[in-house]
Amino acid sequence: NAGVTQTPKFRVLKTGQSMTLLCAQDMNHEYMYWYRQDPGMGLRLIHYSVGEGTTAKGEVPDGYNVSRLKKQNFLLGLESAAPSQTSVYFCASSYHTLNEQFFGPGTRLTVL
Amino acid sequence: TQLLEQSPQFLSIQEGENLTVYCNSSSVFSSLQWYRQEPGEGPVLLVTVVTGGEVKKLKRLTFQFGDARKDSSLHITAAQTGDTGLYLCAGGARDSNYQLIWGAGTKLIIKP
Repeated sequence: NAGVTQTPKFRVLKTGQSMTLLCAQDMNHEYMYWYRQDPGMGLRLIHYSVGEGTTAKGEVPDGYNVSRLKKQNFLLGLESAAPSQTSVYFCASSYHTLNEQFFGPGTRLTVL
Repeated sequence: TQLLEQSPQFLSIQEGENLTVYCNSSSVFSSLQWYRQEPGEGPVLLVTVVTGGEVKKLKRLTFQFGDARKDSSLHITAAQTGDTGLYLCAGGARDSNYQLIWGAGTKLIIKP
């Protein structure tokens, strides 16, 4: 089992460019999450999904969109990247809310 | 807004010493999780505590959940260089729609 995988691992964007981060899990988890991690601020929830075809806003959703067309995949999109979106992005999954979350290795995004 | 405050933010000690890190909130949590994150990787769950006053041990690590379920502590006995990492606490409650609220983390460095 690969667990949770994320692509790409690194990316540099110019302001205004768009991109999609892909997360995949092979544990048949219902719940999936996208977080950003910035120095001194811990993990902040961007969007989450409680099952295939559903998405919900987290703490910091502005500037991001998500889709969960298949149970195993959760996509995070940036339509028009801004320097404030420079961060490390983590995807996670869990069997149910408040259960153990399994994290991917992260994507380091720099927006110039 | 619910907050989980972790202290200290940073701790650097010699191998063999003992240490305690704290996770405090004014909110009551249904459960609280502790994760460890190593550089370039996602967080990995260490333990979940669910009952007020609960104490769990994981080798040299001792986790305690406060009686009122508002705070938790992690005590490491005879720290080793392999304990180096970022320690994160995360709690879930009805008020947060049962989504995890994350502390900012304690960065721990154990010097040989």
